[in-house]
Amino acid sequence: KAGVTQTPRYLIKTRGQQVTLSCSPISGHRSVSWYQQTPGQGLQFLFEYFSETQRNKGNFPGRFSGRQFSNSRSEMNVSTLELGDSALYLCASSLEGANMGYGYTFGSGTRLTVV
Amino acid sequence: SQKIEQNSEALNIQEGKTATLTCNYTNYSPAYLQWYRQDPGRGPVFLLLIRENEKEKRKERLKVTFDTTLKQSLFHITASQPADSATYLCALFTSGTYKYIFGTGTRLKVLA
Repeated sequence: KAGVTQTPRYLIKTRGQQVTLSCSPISGHRSVSWYQQTPGQGLQFLFEYFSETQRNKGNFPGRFSGRQFSNSRSEMNVSTLELGDSALYLCASSLEGANMGYGYTFGSGTRLTVV
Repeated sequence: SQKIEQNSEALNIQEGKTATLTCNYTNYSPAYLQWYRQDPGRGPVFLLLIRENEKEKRKERLKVTFDTTLKQSLFHITASQPADSATYLCALFTSGTYKYIFGTGTRLKVLA
């Protein structure tokens, strides 16, 4: 079966712009989580969506937002980009939510560079 | 404060030996603990999950132990191979935070 698909793979944006990243989870998976990965901080949790509802949110400013559609596909949006937003953004899908003890299947990520 | 610590120094071992990686945590009561492998430029790949009431889990050459008293998990790769070279991440799920928190990972290099 197809894995988790993230698009685009690479993105270069200018400070102040906004960006939308997309994630298609594994078919049948209802939970999608987003993480930001940087060399200094490792993987930092952004948010989790389950059946179109945001169930949990990390400690990121309101410039970071997301949504999930009825087909479980998810998007995250970052507005007013800052240089510090440069990172690998990873989407992870699981059959049920993290609380059910399922492992995540991660996509290959979107490498965002803000210049 | 809550912390997850993995050895940030790279671990180099000879092919065929057992690699042991450590994940220590403080001020968490994890319900689950997971281990992932990550290769450069790729997303992490799920390896094993162990629950708070389990002491040990095995999968092929992999073994995970979970000691909630010591607040530590050990991840073992037996008969290691150069293809096992990667960064290994541990992640905790706590019902308090209701999310997975990841350690920063340990780089393993298996020398031929």
